[in-house]
Amino acid sequence: AQRVTQPEKLLSVFKGAPVELKCNYSYSGSPELFWYVQYSRQRLQLLLRHISRESIKGFTADLNKGETSFHLKKPFAQEEDSAMYYCALLDTGRRALTFGSGTRLQVQP
Amino acid sequence: DAGVIQSPRHEVTEMGQEVTLRCKPISGHDYLFWYRQTMMRGLELLIYFNNNVPIDDSGMPEDRFSAKMPNASFSTLKIQPSEPRDSAVYFCASSEPGGSGNTIYFGEGSWLTVV
Repeated sequence: AQRVTQPEKLLSVFKGAPVELKCNYSYSGSPELFWYVQYSRQRLQLLLRHISRESIKGFTADLNKGETSFHLKKPFAQEEDSAMYYCALLDTGRRALTFGSGTRLQVQP
Repeated sequence: DAGVIQSPRHEVTEMGQEVTLRCKPISGHDYLFWYRQTMMRGLELLIYFNNNVPIDDSGMPEDRFSAKMPNASFSTLKIQPSEPRDSAVYFCASSEPGGSGNTIYFGEGSWLTVV
């Protein structure tokens, strides 16, 4: 069965510090992974997808199949980055996302 | 496009009452998903449709929950009778066939409180 694990419920950093939000997955096939962000009381918004290899709002994420990880990174955190971040795995057979439990990022001034 | 549209945004109801949540997916998207978000269980997939047909409803918690998609532009999630443990945010989402890298787009959610 597929699973997404985000080990940290809360990550608190100071403005300007580097950020790494951890995500590990288990999936028998070739994974498609995403990061979604949810600002306070708003909809989930797509932040990144691994197939695009893009950088959004300074965030990047690299798929490491050997370590089954898809960690989200940003070199310098901003206060506006404070939000809930969800790692998600697409079951390409079912076309549905399985989400991790989420990590709340708090960026302090 | 206005994105995935959900209504109501907020609902407070008494235990035992029927609750109907509504969703309009993005035009042209042929997959529609209902998710539930709670503090305890995070984001859970309840059911999803492809071309208006329910494909997987294994996440629907019990018979009190039902979902329909009568046409490509409308879906409902109904809870009857509602219970306090149903209090959650219910998200509707949609995606297009093979496009946008299989990206799934979410609505703003329906915040349900059952008292």
